[in-house]
Amino acid sequence: DAKTTQPTSMDCAEGRAANLPCNHSTISGNEYVYWYRQIHSQGPQYIIHGLKNNETNEMASLIITEDRKSSTLILPHATLRDTAVYYCIVRAVNTGTASKLTFGTGTRLQVTL
Amino acid sequence: DGGITQSPKYLFRKEGQNVTLSCEQNLNHDAMYWYRQDPGQGLRLIYYSQIVNDFQKGDIAEGYSVSREKKESFPLTVTSAQKNPTAFYLCASSISGTDAFFGQGTRLTVV
Repeated sequence: DAKTTQPTSMDCAEGRAANLPCNHSTISGNEYVYWYRQIHSQGPQYIIHGLKNNETNEMASLIITEDRKSSTLILPHATLRDTAVYYCIVRAVNTGTASKLTFGTGTRLQVTL
Repeated sequence: DGGITQSPKYLFRKEGQNVTLSCEQNLNHDAMYWYRQDPGQGLRLIYYSQIVNDFQKGDIAEGYSVSREKKESFPLTVTSAQKNPTAFYLCASSISGTDAFFGQGTRLTVV
């Protein structure tokens, strides 16, 4: 699986959009971009994933560049409960094989009043 | 409710003892995983299993053992051979090839 690079930490004011970048310059054509977040002392929570097109769900939006070498997770209206470590992961998705998620150290997002 | 359950949430063990961490899922997922997390670090894969009676080593399998006798269960044993067992242990499951669901973790402390 390709390696990702994320900033160590970011701050965001409550109510503003949080934009979390991720570089994955060695991503392969069959690899998806996944985002998880981990609130302190809990298990990681799936947020969103995508291959080429931008994706949106009730939690966030995922913007993937045309060359797929980087992406941005957008939390449109951050709240204090969004304070967490956010992990960007790229991995191949092959039916019938276990999904070996490889986690880096992620970005620690602090949402402030 | 469907989900993945880890127990206990906190576990203390004396140095030199083996200890088994429980992980149960009722999501009918084929694949299950064990990760270890140290303070300020990301998750590292210990073992994973794609189907019953089959499992593979992850990146840091030394000092650990697993079994997969039932689809729903994937217990992890931390043996006395694991030099630094104090950590946060996370279990996950998935339908093969899709995103994973995580349990709430077991925090193991060696005293």
